[in-house]
Amino acid sequence: EDKVVQSPLSLVVHEGDTVTLNCSYEVTNFRSLLWYKQEKKAPTFLFMLTSSGIEKKSGRLSSILDKKELSSILNITATQTGDSAIYLCAWGPAGGTSYGKLTFGQGTILTVHP
Amino acid sequence: KAGVTQTPRYLIKTRGQQVTLSCSPISGHRSVSWYQQTPGQGLQFLFEYFSETQRNKGNFPGRFSGRQFSNSRSEMNVSTLELGDSALYLCASSIGQGSGELFFGEGSRLTVL
Repeated sequence: EDKVVQSPLSLVVHEGDTVTLNCSYEVTNFRSLLWYKQEKKAPTFLFMLTSSGIEKKSGRLSSILDKKELSSILNITATQTGDSAIYLCAWGPAGGTSYGKLTFGQGTILTVHP
Repeated sequence: KAGVTQTPRYLIKTRGQQVTLSCSPISGHRSVSWYQQTPGQGLQFLFEYFSETQRNKGNFPGRFSGRQFSNSRSEMNVSTLELGDSALYLCASSIGQGSGELFFGEGSRLTVL
């Protein structure tokens, strides 16, 4: 059974700290790995990593895909209280008709204190 | 550009009733996916519709069904509600081809009493 596992499940830090969130996957037919941020209701897209794009960066956030280790990390530097959210990792299967189907991990709850 | 719109945002039902949730995708998007989010199970895929056809289906009982209209709007229906159906139901839209990025709506919070 395809599986996505995130760690840690929760994390509490102070503003200015750097955090690393982990995502490992045991899946067949890998196509992409995606990171989402969920604050209140709607998950918002952060990054998508594929075989042709294994490293992405946007401001203080960056992500790397390690296809050999079947894992990905999401780094957030100089954290701010606004980074407090649930961070979700998801796997997208290969195949021409599977684009809407993502398998999500449990999520990491990040709390950033002032 | 308007985002994904879901209605209703909140609803309360009793066991045995049925419920219909609606989702309007981003203009131009032809794929609509539905997910159930609960504290215990996280985000789980229900089904996906593309050009009015169900393209993928998750591991949910037949009480969960959906459809998509010619304007890409989608509805999902849950019949004979159970307490365990209480959840946040999220709809996501995408172009449906060549992209893995899904855009989520704010969800419909269903409480079953």
